[in-house]
Amino acid sequence: AQSVTQLDSQVPVFEEAPVELRCNYSSSVSVYLFWYVQYPNQGLQLLLKYLSGSTLVKSINGFEAEFNKSQTSFHLRKPSVHISDTAEYFCAVSGSSTGFGNEKLTFGTGTRLTIIP
Amino acid sequence: NAGVTQTPKFRILKIGQSMTLQCTQDMNHNYMYWYRQDPGMGLKLIYYSVGAGITDKGEVPNGYNVSRSTTEDFPLRLELAAPSQTSVYFCASSPTGLFQETQYFGPGTRLLVL
Repeated sequence: AQSVTQLDSQVPVFEEAPVELRCNYSSSVSVYLFWYVQYPNQGLQLLLKYLSGSTLVKSINGFEAEFNKSQTSFHLRKPSVHISDTAEYFCAVSGSSTGFGNEKLTFGTGTRLTIIP
Repeated sequence: NAGVTQTPKFRILKIGQSMTLQCTQDMNHNYMYWYRQDPGMGLKLIYYSVGAGITDKGEVPNGYNVSRSTTEDFPLRLELAAPSQTSVYFCASSPTGLFQETQYFGPGTRLLVL
């Protein structure tokens, strides 16, 4: 079984300040990790994902996340946030004992990021 | 392309009523998914499909049924609505699964069961 914990339900941050959204996971098999973003009244959009290779993955809009196996974490960071980053962010995990992923994602409960002008 | 469309946008049901949530995608994607999102929670997978005629259960399939007769459509059926099914339902699609490609989400259907 796999699970995801997002410790912070809400994170307020001043505009242009850095932010870190925390995500910890548990799984007994190989893991594949994802961050999704949900803007108000919209469906989710994939922000970035870790499947294999480099442990640092980046999105096109300045976010990055680092897979840390020893700490079972996949924290999301951005060095300088903008008003447009206001959204809810979900961490998700999929696991496989065969080394090949499956379609069943387990989501965390989400972190609401609020940018303060 | 319209992407992933869902109908209706909102619906109120009485306990015991039935309904079908419609999902259509015009991107010729093989993979399609149904999720529910309860207030303050992450999404939970209800059912998914890897192609026409092939479906599989997700994390919370009880109380729901699906079918996939065409590549474009993936309807979700609630047979006997219960208050516990009050949620926002999202349909998503992907060309080759979420490991090779991203998922594209529809705008959601808000369902209230009273």
